[in-house]
Amino acid sequence: GENVEQHPSTLSVQEGDSAVIKCTYSDSASNYFPWYKQELGKRPQLIIDIRSNVGEKKDQRIAVTLNKTAKHFSLHITETQPEDSAVYFCAASGSSGGGADGLTFGKGTHLIIQP
Amino acid sequence: NAGVTQTPKFRILKIGQSMTLQCAQDMNHNYMYWYRQDPGMGLKLIYYSVGAGITDKGEVPNGYNVSRSTTEDFPLRLELAAPSQTSVYFCASSYMSNQPQHFGDGTRLSIL
Repeated sequence: GENVEQHPSTLSVQEGDSAVIKCTYSDSASNYFPWYKQELGKRPQLIIDIRSNVGEKKDQRIAVTLNKTAKHFSLHITETQPEDSAVYFCAASGSSGGGADGLTFGKGTHLIIQP
Repeated sequence: NAGVTQTPKFRILKIGQSMTLQCAQDMNHNYMYWYRQDPGMGLKLIYYSVGAGITDKGEVPNGYNVSRSTTEDFPLRLELAAPSQTSVYFCASSYMSNQPQHFGDGTRLSIL
């Protein structure tokens, strides 16, 4: 089954600086990699995703890169703002139970934007 | 569209009681999922369904059961509640596999 590792667990950056969160995955068959943002007490919300046939994807201040050979993918947030403070989760297609459907999530990164 | 609707939002159960967490989606999605999220952790897949009448186990299925009699509804049943099942439960849906999953607001469940 799939296994996803996420680092760091906590990231504190100054407002306006960039933030980078990194994930590695174990199953070379995984082909879909979404990133979710979760505010305290709220549901996870998709912010960006990437498929294995693409190396990079951008959406305004957010970008994701994927290195299939090394089995790692990263989230980049530029010009950080206070509203970016939240917990961010990476995920990979395929479940830890071995099934091809569902997502396996990392343990999350608590991003703190310092004013 | 309401998206994915979960009920109840909060529930306290005693050990050994049973209950059903409800999940409904109005997006005509084929795939539906149940995840649990323990404090400070990521989400873990409990069960999923690829269509009406078809369900399969995820990473942590023990102690739970599901059914999918319609496209819209995917209830999760706890038969004999245990303290280890204290968690926040999220239901999600997607049109197909490896497509964006849309989450409900969650059910916060405490077993005492």
